[in-house]
This record gives sequence, C-alpha cells and structure tokens, in this order.
Amino acid sequence: DAMVIQNPRYQVTQFGKPVTLSCSQTLNHNVMYWYQQKSSQAPKLLFHYYDKDFNNEADTPDNFQSRRPNTSFCFLDIRSPGLGDAAMYLCATSLGAGANVLTFGAGSRLTVL
Amino acid sequence: AQTVTQSQPEMSVQEAETVTLSCTYDTSESNYYLFWYKQPPSRQMILVIRQEAYKQQNATENRFSVNFQKAAKSFSLKISDSQLGDTAMYFCAFMGFYNQGGKLIFGQGTELSVKP
Repeated sequence: DAMVIQNPRYQVTQFGKPVTLSCSQTLNHNVMYWYQQKSSQAPKLLFHYYDKDFNNEADTPDNFQSRRPNTSFCFLDIRSPGLGDAAMYLCATSLGAGANVLTFGAGSRLTVL
Repeated sequence: AQTVTQSQPEMSVQEAETVTLSCTYDTSESNYYLFWYKQPPSRQMILVIRQEAYKQQNATENRFSVNFQKAAKSFSLKISDSQLGDTAMYFCAFMGFYNQGGKLIFGQGTELSVKP
C-alpha cells in the first residue's frame, strides 16, 4: 500500500516552463518535506511544512515554491525551471514534533529540455 | 554544520556473503540520530535502521546491523547473508536530536550490487 504518493513519476518540461509536482499521503502525518536529489548527489532539503507553517531552507532558490492546501496534499512549484533544476524530487512525511523517522514517496524525476 | 561522508561510491558482494558500508559524520552535538536508508532503483527510499546517539548498544534489524563508534564519529552498516533484493543505493543520514525541522543530512550514497 503506497502511503506517500508522488505524481507524476516522470515530468519533462521546457526551459522556463512552469511545472508542478504533487505529493499526497494517507498517513495523516502533520509534517511534509520536499527534498531535491540531483544525479549522484545526496538528497537536499528544500523546505517543509509543519502543519500549515511553511519553513524554507536558507539556500533554497526563490524559483521553488510550495503549497499545502490540506493535511494530505503538498505541491512543489518550479516557476521557471532551468537546466540545473533537473533532478529527482522526493516528498517525505513525518508525525509530530521531534519525529525522526521520515516516510518517503517514490519521487518525481524532472527533466528540463 | 553537520556533514556526512560515505567514501565508497560503489560496492559489490556475492549473494549470501557479508558486506560492510562505511559512513563518517561530523557534528558538535552530543545527542542526535543516525540512519541508513535504502533506495532501490526507481523505488521509494525506505528506512533500514536507526541509531540513537545516546544509546551505546548497536542497533540491529534482522540481517542489518550497525557499528556505531561515537568517539570516532563512525557509523557503518553490515549486511549479512546478502540477498539480490538488497541491491540498491544506500544513504547514511544524520538528524539533530531537536529535529531542526526534520532535516536529514545525507551522505553521497553507496551503490550496492548483490551478484548471484
């Protein structure tokens, strides 16, 4: 049973054309994260939501934004994708303050042409 | 700032044998969590094993065990009786005890191939 579902699994976009990636979860976890994983690199946290509170990492480019309309869904918007934004984007969730175990989705692989 | 280093980009092991993946980390904190995550090809990342830094006993999960050396800041993963399904990218990761927004700091990963 998939508990953190990411769509689409593969996304191809053109340079500068906005793209939205989605994440849904059936775990009722209150914390949701977006990580960026470039080829042969470690995943890197972009931002996270603690309930409705948005927390941006200091080095996350302004080109990346996120929305969380309800507990179950979270979106990653890339306003003007560049070639350097091609990566796997991982959504993860966790439960409660101090939670240290994250549940990951299968990822969305973004290709920028 | 915390860092995690995995010095073995690729490893291979014969089925049924034992393999050890290395990880070192750097932190000034005394309490924290360490993890090994497994990412099979085109599949989701899943937790393999977790270690709390305040526990001296090494964590074990079936065929997976760790060697946690706090003073040396070393956290290696031993896989016994390797199976074909263990083929995956393995990430070592660090999280501060006070969660810091659930920020996992990952190493670069070790790609493990289990050969029949």
